[in-house]
Amino acid sequence: IAGITQAPTSQILAAGRRMTLRCTQDMRHNAMYWYRQDLGLGLRLIHYSNTAGTTGKGEVPDGYSVSRANTDDFPLTLASAVPSQTSVYFCASSNSGTETQYFGPGTRLLVL
Amino acid sequence: GQNIDQPTEMTATEGAIVQINCTYQTSGFNGLFWYQQHAGEAPTFLSYNVLDGLEEKGRFSSFLSRSKGYSYLLLKELQMKDSASYLCAVLDSNYQLIWGAGTKLIIKP
Repeated sequence: IAGITQAPTSQILAAGRRMTLRCTQDMRHNAMYWYRQDLGLGLRLIHYSNTAGTTGKGEVPDGYSVSRANTDDFPLTLASAVPSQTSVYFCASSNSGTETQYFGPGTRLLVL
Repeated sequence: GQNIDQPTEMTATEGAIVQINCTYQTSGFNGLFWYQQHAGEAPTFLSYNVLDGLEEKGRFSSFLSRSKGYSYLLLKELQMKDSASYLCAVLDSNYQLIWGAGTKLIIKP
């Protein structure tokens, strides 16, 4: 693979269920990000990681958690999904926090 | 608060030129990015400006005026495949990208 992959592509989830969205990059980028994109709104940062072993909160972190055990993987977990978490989720990576971000194909999540 | 403004939608004709404007008010400035996003796809990088002036890359050019908090993306010789949303984003003082809601560009034959 070359670039960023995300899984699943799409998911329908019952409210209250736990869900982990997966993100893997093979570019050896230090920084990784999770965004959500909702109609009429710009991309909003959920969590980020500047390097393996560190994470930080973005603009809309509530209800989400992340981990960065290694350089390549950056999973996003919804502990107990709610309908307002229905969105398209994009994972991105960059060589550093000041450089161009490259995006994965996205995960479309519907919480009922 | 931080704010990025761009028009919601624009329409242009194939072969013509279109300018998409972006104004921003952010806490600090460390560069401005333009991305293209086709419907149902991921954003892809188009351009980056950190100094005032015009950056040209093929049919696409991007301009920045830091004193005015203003940028534009200029698309020349429009093709049908240019129908997409164009996203403006500013890297703020915390090195986080602040995104506009995007401009949907419709190209008519």
